[in-house]
Amino acid sequence: SAVISQKPSRDICQRGTSLTIQCQVDSQVTMMFWYRQQPGQSLTLIATANQGSEATYESGFVIDKFPISRPNLTFSTLTVSNMSPEDSSIYLCSVGGYGATQETQYFGPGTRLLVL
Amino acid sequence: GENVEQHPSTLSVQEGDSAVIKCTYSDSASNYFPWYKQELGKGPQLIIDIRSNVGEKKDQRIAVTLNKTAKHFSLHITETQPEDSAVYFCAATLDYKLSFGAGTTVTVRA
Repeated sequence: SAVISQKPSRDICQRGTSLTIQCQVDSQVTMMFWYRQQPGQSLTLIATANQGSEATYESGFVIDKFPISRPNLTFSTLTVSNMSPEDSSIYLCSVGGYGATQETQYFGPGTRLLVL
Repeated sequence: GENVEQHPSTLSVQEGDSAVIKCTYSDSASNYFPWYKQELGKGPQLIIDIRSNVGEKKDQRIAVTLNKTAKHFSLHITETQPEDSAVYFCAATLDYKLSFGAGTTVTVRA
């Protein structure tokens, strides 16, 4: 399976500030995704990170709040902008199209964010 | 969009017994169904998956079944061990996007 790293692993931030989360995978992948997991909840897809073009956002998520970059096939960033306590969550990146399996997604370890 | 329901929300089993988690999905076009295990403080780990053209798949103590007609799929864990304690998520894939169930917290009692 893919080896995925995320930085930072956790952070405590003040409201009104922004945090950028990095996701790095050990091999080129077709697809990269960003998810949010609120405390004790399931995973919700934020957006698909597209290499060389704007990310595709799911309903309820907007680019101004969650700008995403994907400069190449192994790296992506998610920024959580103008944070409020409601943004306290685990943010996870996943990759798809790793090797021969197009549908399978592998997840990174997550970034645990607490907003005060 | 796709809607996935998962039951039960919590499951407590005696070590050595079996555990069964059931999921239903709404969109008949979904074609790939992975199961993830998430331990505390970690990201979800893929444990088994099944595609829509297969009815059953087994990997050691873990098996998954799929009923396309009824739009439901299940995870079976046999001979449970303490290290099986975790949160388990089912998911359905449509156009390469995952929709997750709410999760099942499994506790294996020694």
